[in-house]
Amino acid sequence: GEDVEQSLFLSVREGDSSVINCTYTDSSSTYLYWYKQEPGAGLQLLTYIFSNMDMKQDQRLTVLLNKKDKHLSLRIADTQTGDSAIYFCAEKEDQAGTALIFGKGTTLSVSS
Amino acid sequence: AAGVIQSPRHLIKEKRETATLKCYPIPRHDTVYWYQQGPGQDPQFLISFYEKMQSDKGSIPDRFSAQQFSDYHSELNMSSLELGDSALYFCASSLSSFPDSNQPQHFGDGTRLSIL
Repeated sequence: GEDVEQSLFLSVREGDSSVINCTYTDSSSTYLYWYKQEPGAGLQLLTYIFSNMDMKQDQRLTVLLNKKDKHLSLRIADTQTGDSAIYFCAEKEDQAGTALIFGKGTTLSVSS
Repeated sequence: AAGVIQSPRHLIKEKRETATLKCYPIPRHDTVYWYQQGPGQDPQFLISFYEKMQSDKGSIPDRFSAQQFSDYHSELNMSSLELGDSALYFCASSLSSFPDSNQPQHFGDGTRLSIL
């Protein structure tokens, strides 16, 4: 069945780069997403990538996709304390109305 | 830009009571999704609607039901509430365009339901 896995914790210093990794198993997945959740808040869409792409860059965020290994990563450049949050990787089939399958989330802690 | 609106933000109920959560999607979005997030957990999909018809169903208990109305807003009805139903309930919306359905889901801030 579908499964999305992430490492649970990542701790970095302010100004460093953060790399959050995710692996997925559903071979039919065509869209992969990164969401950010701050404490007590909702899920904020950060970025997403289509499975025929290898990389997508959006300001400080870089998404890398290795479709062969089913590995997705999110790199945050110049990490700030405001980036401290839980980051969820999610996959979705290419079909209207179908659900996102989330990983357990990676808690990013940024120290100054 | 307008976002997904959920109401109420917080709700406290007792066991065996009923609750109704409301979701107002982003204007022009035709698809709504409901997710449940337990403490320290990832969001789990409950149910979704496209153009007022159920489009996908996840781990929604039989005690729960949902619908999407003609103005595209959605309501999640929960009955015989149990302690384990305490969670954050998210609604998300998207604009689905056949055959390409790559429009991402945008989430509301959630309704925090506490069962006493």
